Amino acid sequence: QKEVEQDPGPLSVPEGAIVSLNCTYSNSAFQYFMWYRQYSRKGPELLMYTYSSGNKEDGRFTAQVDKSSKYISLFIRDSQPSDSATYLCASRGTSYGKLTFGQGTILTVHP
Amino acid sequence: GAVVSQHPSWVICKSGTSVKIECRSLDFQATTMFWYRQFPKQSLMLMATSNEGSKATYEQGVEKDKFLINHASLTLSTLTVTSAHPEDSSFYICSARAWSGDPNQPQHFGDGTRLSIL
Repeated sequence: QKEVEQDPGPLSVPEGAIVSLNCTYSNSAFQYFMWYRQYSRKGPELLMYTYSSGNKEDGRFTAQVDKSSKYISLFIRDSQPSDSATYLCASRGTSYGKLTFGQGTILTVHP
Repeated sequence: GAVVSQHPSWVICKSGTSVKIECRSLDFQATTMFWYRQFPKQSLMLMATSNEGSKATYEQGVEKDKFLINHASLTLSTLTVTSAHPEDSSFYICSARAWSGDPNQPQHFGDGTRLSIL
């Protein structure tokens, strides 16, 4: 079993839709949770960074962490074609520990 | 801020050649840099963790003699793929983390190097 599981999709939605991206993790030592966006042939770009359970909002993006169920989510409101990319969830234990990535979800937003 | 530059972005070379990839933190000092490998439509797999001034720590299954890592300064780490073969063709990505008393410092990624071995 992978430590971080993510549905690879692909996920296709119309412009303006609310997108829900999800990951589960199995390692109870994971304390920090991140969402990265990766465009084709580019490196990952940090979108959201959370530590505690609950919600964190940044513009159209909301990250949600539920440590009791080991479930992390990213919501994108009013999705745009420019949001089309691969979204990677990642987790780590200690502050300076290595990241463990999910497989990534390919998202396409149609105009 | 927090820009990581990776060079070259794409390299094609013959089997048996050694290839060096550079990773630079442009506007911050990076005590720790990470090297990842990514296959098409797959996630990033950590290859090694590089700390400035010390030997890199390799993940299980990664040949340290095959993938030489040097982190000689706080802004530069290099990955050398020695005697590269077609199976080494992949997308290699580095990331860097700044030294800071803030435990929440995230990793910042370069744009990757696409390596194609003929």
